[in-house]
Amino acid sequence: DTGVSQDPRHKITKRGQNVTFRCDPISEHNRLYWYRQTLGQGPEFLTYFQNEAQLEKSRLLSDRFSAERPKGSFSTLEIQRTEQGDSAMYLCASSRNAAGGEEKLFFGSGTQLSVL
Amino acid sequence: RKEVEQDPGPFNVPEGATVAFNCTYSNSASQSFFWYRQDCRKEPKLLMSVYSSGNEDGRFTAQLNRASQYISLLIRDSKLSDSATYLCVVNIPESSYKLIFGSGTRLLVRP
Repeated sequence: DTGVSQDPRHKITKRGQNVTFRCDPISEHNRLYWYRQTLGQGPEFLTYFQNEAQLEKSRLLSDRFSAERPKGSFSTLEIQRTEQGDSAMYLCASSRNAAGGEEKLFFGSGTQLSVL
Repeated sequence: RKEVEQDPGPFNVPEGATVAFNCTYSNSASQSFFWYRQDCRKEPKLLMSVYSSGNEDGRFTAQLNRASQYISLLIRDSKLSDSATYLCVVNIPESSYKLIFGSGTRLLVRP
């Protein structure tokens, strides 16, 4: 499978615990994105990387969230001291330089986080 | 005002019907526009890009109206398999690679 893969598919945790999610993008894609989606809403931008550089982070993202892409390949998203409001689907997407600079995202299946 | 706004629906139409969705965006400098499709409990997938001159892909037609800052998606001859949520996506001009999603319009096609 050469698509975007995310692990785990589901995560249940207790409030206050730390969680980490992994994303493996499509191999030739240099840009990687994290989005969060709750029921009835569209994906909400969290952050994105170009290769290993984190170029932008949403103002909505608190200090408890951190993302890395150490070698410009896979990425991890960590949430510290989880809160019930963090419960959501966390989606990873990747893209590559396209003709005309047009950005087309390919999404993974997501990690569904439930904070009890 | 939200950056990207869509009517949440649902639009409930019979098979074979023609249905259209609109989406408005707030930043007049946005340059890239897309429609994504999302099935229940699945990830979003690119349906089509939206070009200034309008573009068509089979039964799907997308149009852009820069003056009024909206994009549209027209689906002709609806199929049961078209039932999904359609997400309008617009780039943020200050960051070409940052895409903002609308909340989606839900379409239900009935037999």
